[in-house]
Order: sequence, then structure tokens, then C-alpha cells
Amino acid sequence: DAGVTQSPTHLIKTRGQQVTLRCSPKSGHDTVSWYQQALGQGPQFIFQYYEEEERQRGNFPDRFSGHQFPNYSSELNVNALLLGDSALYLCASSLLGDEQYFGPGTRLTVT
Amino acid sequence: QKEVEQDPGPLSVPEGAIVSLNCTYSNSAFQYFMWYRQYSRKGPELLMYTYSSGNKEDGRFTAQVDKSSKYISLFIRDSQPSDSATYLCAMSAFGNNRLAFGKGNQVVVIP
Repeated sequence: DAGVTQSPTHLIKTRGQQVTLRCSPKSGHDTVSWYQQALGQGPQFIFQYYEEEERQRGNFPDRFSGHQFPNYSSELNVNALLLGDSALYLCASSLLGDEQYFGPGTRLTVT
Repeated sequence: QKEVEQDPGPLSVPEGAIVSLNCTYSNSAFQYFMWYRQYSRKGPELLMYTYSSGNKEDGRFTAQVDKSSKYISLFIRDSQPSDSATYLCAMSAFGNNRLAFGKGNQVVVIP
């Protein structure tokens, strides 16, 4: 049984560019949450998707947007990248209300 | 005051010692408490998941929750070099899937 998968593994972008990160949830899971983890910090909640809709959102600007597809996979989009967006982006999947299991993350570097 | 406080100071212990980690929190709505282990440049791995106050044991790991003091702990018995990692506490409220994390504790077990 494949766990949570994310792509790409690493990404380097320039300030002002846009990026799309992808996540496939663990088999049987219907909910996907995205977190941002800066170096030396704990993950910060960005938003959560369930039934293809954004169910909850953390304290992140509108430059951060997402999508969930009918097969429960999800994308995180970040527009107008800033240097401060450099971080490890983590996707977690769960059944709604249940334990969250994390993927390996996508390391984004903005130069 | 942050929702979840976790002293991020690195912790070095000799192999076989007991590792003791803890977090405090301010949000009395938190009902679910988790400990994740994160190896360098990897995604967090769920170690322990507990609901409300009490103890939970799983092999060499014991999680304790004291809701009256808003204090949770993780103990690792007979620590091994493979336990060297960052340990993150996380918690969430009933009906709210957003995980609030501590900053993480880096643990080094010296052979």
C-alpha cells in the first residue's frame, strides 16, 4: 500500500514566479491537508480539502490556493513567489477527522 | 502566547537512556494529541495518537496527556541511535482537523 506521495521532490523558482505542487493521498483517504514547514520550525497549516472543496484555511495569503480532484489527489499553487516562501511543503492525508499521515514533502527554494 | 510551546533545544543522550520530551499548550479546545518523528529532510511520521487525558504505551514509547495542566509528554525507553530525529508534538480540537505543531525537539542518541 503506497503511502502519501508528493511531487516534485525539490524545486527551485525565482521571485515572482508561480509554482504547483502535487499530492496523492494514502489509499482509502478522502481528505488532504497542506502544511508549510520553514527550517527549524514546526509545520504551519495552510488549508484542507475534502469533497473537492476547501474546508478550512490557515493564516496564509490568497497567493496560496489549492484544488482537490475527484480521485482525492490535490494540488497546491503559490503565485508571485517571495523569498520567504522557501520551505518544505508537506501534504497530509486522512479520513475526515482521523489521524493525518504525511508525505515526504516538496522542498521549494525561491531565489 | 503561542498555541503550542515546545522547547526546541537539542537533546543528546547516551544509548539506552530514557528520553523525555514535553509540550505545553494554551487552547483548552484541544482534544487530540499526537507525536510525530521527523528524520532530516523527510516528512513527519506519526508515532503516537491519544485522545484526552491519560497514558498510552506502544513498545518503547509512552505518551502522557494532562489536560488540567495543558501539558503532554513523550517518553522513549531504551533509546537507540535510530531514534535520533526531530520529535514534533501536534494537537487539534474536536471537529477541527487543523493540526497545531510545536517547533520540534532534535534528539541525538549517542552510541
